[in-house]
Amino acid sequence: GAGVSQTPSNKVTEKGKYVELRCDPISGHTALYWYRQSLGQGPEFLIYFQGTGAADDSGLPNDRFFAVRPEGSVSTLKIQRTERGDSAVYLCASSGDRGNGYTFGSGTRLTVV
Amino acid sequence: GEDVEQSLFLSVREGDSSVINCTYTDSSSTYLYWYKQEPGAGLQLLTYIFSNMDMKQDQRLTVLLNKKDKHLSLRIADTQTGDSAIYFCAATDSNYQLIWGAGTKLIIKP
Repeated sequence: GAGVSQTPSNKVTEKGKYVELRCDPISGHTALYWYRQSLGQGPEFLIYFQGTGAADDSGLPNDRFFAVRPEGSVSTLKIQRTERGDSAVYLCASSGDRGNGYTFGSGTRLTVV
Repeated sequence: GEDVEQSLFLSVREGDSSVINCTYTDSSSTYLYWYKQEPGAGLQLLTYIFSNMDMKQDQRLTVLLNKKDKHLSLRIADTQTGDSAIYFCAATDSNYQLIWGAGTKLIIKP
């Protein structure tokens, strides 16, 4: 597609529930990144995919967080047993070439109540 | 590891120039970026500079890089109300991952 698409744009869930956040990157971009942004802060790195594989998942806060990219395009970030502290905007970005910067989606605002 | 720092706020009058500053710690950073984030919106890449450059100009935007001091600045000429946003500085680490500053909120006074 023309840009990075993230769905849903907003998600409200109850504490303890499971959520999935979807990212559809720019067609042909091999690198895909997930970030989390809390109010008043810069993006916090979660995970980076190069193709289908997770090249760096060191930013995932704990084992409740998991992400997949089975066919090297669309990625899903999965959060189990959500906690109120998981509330944030989850940003996805894709990149076709090092140095050209990342193109970000508009994010999914997750609120855990 | 890399650390990127920016001041949290900058207030300027409409029509004046805005200069947003950023410092980073990793001298091997290859690319340095400026992103803009408007309220409720995603991050928009404004411009970037390669580490072997001192300056890059793009219309109203001028990026200056002092590699010796590890200091990056973004100058916005003739600041307009539409420039109100948070501006993030980011630098690549040795794995080409982006390390982000906390963002500078640009406030425009009429």
